[in-house]
Amino acid sequence: KNEVEQSPQNLTAQEGEFITINCSYSVGISALHWLQQHPGGGIVSLFMLSSGKKKHGRLIATINIQEKHSSLHITASHPRDSAVYICAVRSKTSYDKVIFGPGTSLSVIP
Amino acid sequence: DGGITQSPKYLFRKEGQNVTLSCEQNLNHDAMYWYRQDPGQGLRLIYYSQIVNDFQKGDIAEGYSVSREKKESFPLTVTSAQKNPTAFYLCASKSQGEAYEQYFGPGTRLTVT
Repeated sequence: KNEVEQSPQNLTAQEGEFITINCSYSVGISALHWLQQHPGGGIVSLFMLSSGKKKHGRLIATINIQEKHSSLHITASHPRDSAVYICAVRSKTSYDKVIFGPGTSLSVIP
Repeated sequence: DGGITQSPKYLFRKEGQNVTLSCEQNLNHDAMYWYRQDPGQGLRLIYYSQIVNDFQKGDIAEGYSVSREKKESFPLTVTSAQKNPTAFYLCASKSQGEAYEQYFGPGTRLTVT
């Protein structure tokens, strides 16, 4: 069983739809990251959170430490949101160890 | 502009040849990392370095080697001993400390035939 799992694996949405990507993990963490990887391959960090909720533009990330679960929401989705979204957790025992989920591939159709 | 550069973007090699992937950062970060990405899998750590002249094996170090002679540079050599070298390779760096995030380079796609 992977230490970080994501669902769904692939997601196709119509432009304007509300999108949710889920992440669950099985290890103790000090922080959780949501990353975005565009088709060219480069990765950018969207959020780093250790509790509660963060919002940036149309993106919202939440985390429930007790349930070891996080969600990434995209409101009013747009074709430019099409990318792979990666959940990654930083180990509680070693802040330098980051465990990555397999990613969720999102395609937003006009 | 501060950032991480990886070159080249695409690299092709024949089986049995060693190949070195470049990673340079001008963010003044102490720590640097090499990851490998395969389809359907999460990034896996190959090697990391927290300080110049020191580096540690990650989860899949076999068949790879690194050096850290300068703070800005962390080249990765994929040796002929790596059984399945075709993959997308990402370099990252971060400042020391729990509050800091990793910054990623654009990646190098290596194809070995």
